Amino acid sequence: GQQLNQSPQSMFIQEGEDVSMNCTSSSIFNTWLWYKQDPGEGPVLLIALYKAGELTSNGRLTAQFGITRKDSFLNISASIPSDVGIYFCAGLDNDMRFGAGTRLTVKP
Amino acid sequence: GAGVSQTPSNKVTEKGKYVELRCDPISGHTALYWYRQSLGQGPEFLIYFQGTGAADDSGLPNDRFFAVRPEGSVSTLKIQRTERGDSAVYLCASSLIPLAGGQETQYFGPGTRLLVL
Repeated sequence: GQQLNQSPQSMFIQEGEDVSMNCTSSSIFNTWLWYKQDPGEGPVLLIALYKAGELTSNGRLTAQFGITRKDSFLNISASIPSDVGIYFCAGLDNDMRFGAGTRLTVKP
Repeated sequence: GAGVSQTPSNKVTEKGKYVELRCDPISGHTALYWYRQSLGQGPEFLIYFQGTGAADDSGLPNDRFFAVRPEGSVSTLKIQRTERGDSAVYLCASSLIPLAGGQETQYFGPGTRLLVL
């Protein structure tokens, strides 16, 4: 089964608002990844984090690799309607483990 | 196309039947991964190929599940004696080199939606 706890499970926000979601694990991971999945599609990589404490940005997205290597967060600033989808965290060690996802709804 | 493709996109079968799901990775990608995604959950690792060999099959739930990649490109996931609990989206992904904490990106296909009645 999955080892990652991702929260919140779902979010309903207004366009323009900032969003924050996080992932915690009972295990240490060497790499943390954040994906977005649209309906009927496979997940698409948004940000990859390779070092504890690393803070990485990709446009309006910012993610951090926790110092303990057991957690990560993803922030989305100034949300837009196309941010709608399911966001997954994933930890990579010998294989990939995914969180259960955060379903984001953005109201225009 | 240039991405990972999976066929069929949807498969409906009856309990007890045998099914095969196909994955065409991105050309030149040596690593290939199969995942299963149940409704409301994240993908769950099943098996990983490096070239023709299964480098890690620890995620296969039981011996009804089997996967092959005979020529190091296309892979087939095979499920024998299907059960209703096998219903899920089966995702395939490929990467140029194995992930293993390296600086490589994994590309997912759109998945095959399997429904076992």
